[in-house]
Amino acid sequence: RKEVEQDPGPFNVPEGATVAFNCTYSNSASQSFFWYRQDCRKEPKLLMSVYSSGNEDGRFTAQLNRASQYISLLIRDSKLSDSATYLCVVSPGGYQKVTFGTGTKLQVIP
Amino acid sequence: EAQVTQNPRYLITVTGKKLTVTCSQNMNHEYMSWYRQDPGLGLRQIYYSMNVEVTDKGDVPEGYKVSRKEKRNFPLILESPSPNQTSLYFCASSSNSKSYGYTFGSGTRLTVV
Repeated sequence: RKEVEQDPGPFNVPEGATVAFNCTYSNSASQSFFWYRQDCRKEPKLLMSVYSSGNEDGRFTAQLNRASQYISLLIRDSKLSDSATYLCVVSPGGYQKVTFGTGTKLQVIP
Repeated sequence: EAQVTQNPRYLITVTGKKLTVTCSQNMNHEYMSWYRQDPGLGLRQIYYSMNVEVTDKGDVPEGYKVSRKEKRNFPLILESPSPNQTSLYFCASSSNSKSYGYTFGSGTRLTVV
């Protein structure tokens, strides 16, 4: 089993739709979780950290489910500019061993 | 502006010719790391450094070297590049805070022929 798994997609959604991605992880000792966004051929950029209680940033909501070992990202009211690949990142803490998922591609369609 | 600067952005080289990809950050971050990104494999960690003179192997260190003589710089060295090292490389840095993610450089697209 991979350390971090994501559905590669692509997820094709119309503008204004709500879309959710999940990311499962295998190391139960993982402490730090993040979602990154990567545009084609560009560097990944931090979208948001994921906290145990869940957190929201505008149209984006991140959740952590430790019991089932997954994190999720919900995007409401999708915009064309949300089209990108979304990477989940999992770490046991201290950044010694950070593992990236292979990403989920989102395409928002007019 | 807070940033991680990688050079060069693009590089085509021949097998066996030593090369160095530079990485510099201006945020006084302790932690720096190198990744390679290949289609279908995602980002894989090559080496990381927790601070000056402290480096350790990531998942795919074979064929690479690094050094951390100064806090701001973390060069990646390919002593004898081979075609299987053709990839997109990213340098990243972070403070050691658990809630603080990485800042990535713009990437170096390396082709070894």
